[in-house]
Amino acid sequence: KAGVTQTPRYLIKTRGQQVTLSCSPISGHRSVSWYQQTPGQGLQFLFEYFSETQRNKGNFPGRFSGRQFSNSRSEMNVSTLELGDSALYLCASSSLAQNTEAFFGQGTRLTVV
Amino acid sequence: AQRVTQPEKLLSVFKGAPVELKCNYSYSGSPELFWYVQYSRQRLQLLLRHISRESIKGFTADLNKGETSFHLKKPFAQEEDSAMYYCALGGGATNKLIFGTGTLLAVQP
Repeated sequence: KAGVTQTPRYLIKTRGQQVTLSCSPISGHRSVSWYQQTPGQGLQFLFEYFSETQRNKGNFPGRFSGRQFSNSRSEMNVSTLELGDSALYLCASSSLAQNTEAFFGQGTRLTVV
Repeated sequence: AQRVTQPEKLLSVFKGAPVELKCNYSYSGSPELFWYVQYSRQRLQLLLRHISRESIKGFTADLNKGETSFHLKKPFAQEEDSAMYYCALGGGATNKLIFGTGTLLAVQP
């Protein structure tokens, strides 16, 4: 079974630009969550989707948005990039609706210059 | 507010020594606690969860609701246990996780 796949693996963007990150969950998993990982703040929850519905959103500005498609693939978008958005963005999928094991992707490393 | 505290950034022990990675949480509902591990150059992965009450790779963790703790223990550390360990809090009808800041375990030969 293929694991969680995130694309691209690395991105370099300029301040003010926008970026879209993609996540393909494990086949059959309908729950997808996104996390931001930085040396200073650690792993912070961004959003969670289940069957195309956003169920939870973390404490991030409106520049961060996401969506989930009918095939459970998910994208997150960050608009008007700031230097502080530089981070590793992790996606995780889960097989059931709640409190189940999260399977993580390898992440997308975003650098904003 | 939901919060997870891991007080130690780094824990260095010798091979064969006991290990205890501390985790305290704050949650008003019925908590679900997990330990995730990240070995060098590998993905973050589940090590164990409180509800399963099993030992994985010799590690155990007991949920103590009175002390709001979920410490990870292993009686005899191995070099291959060297990794970053994250305590995570879930709960409610969701897969959202709140992570602690992590503890880097370094097992010296």
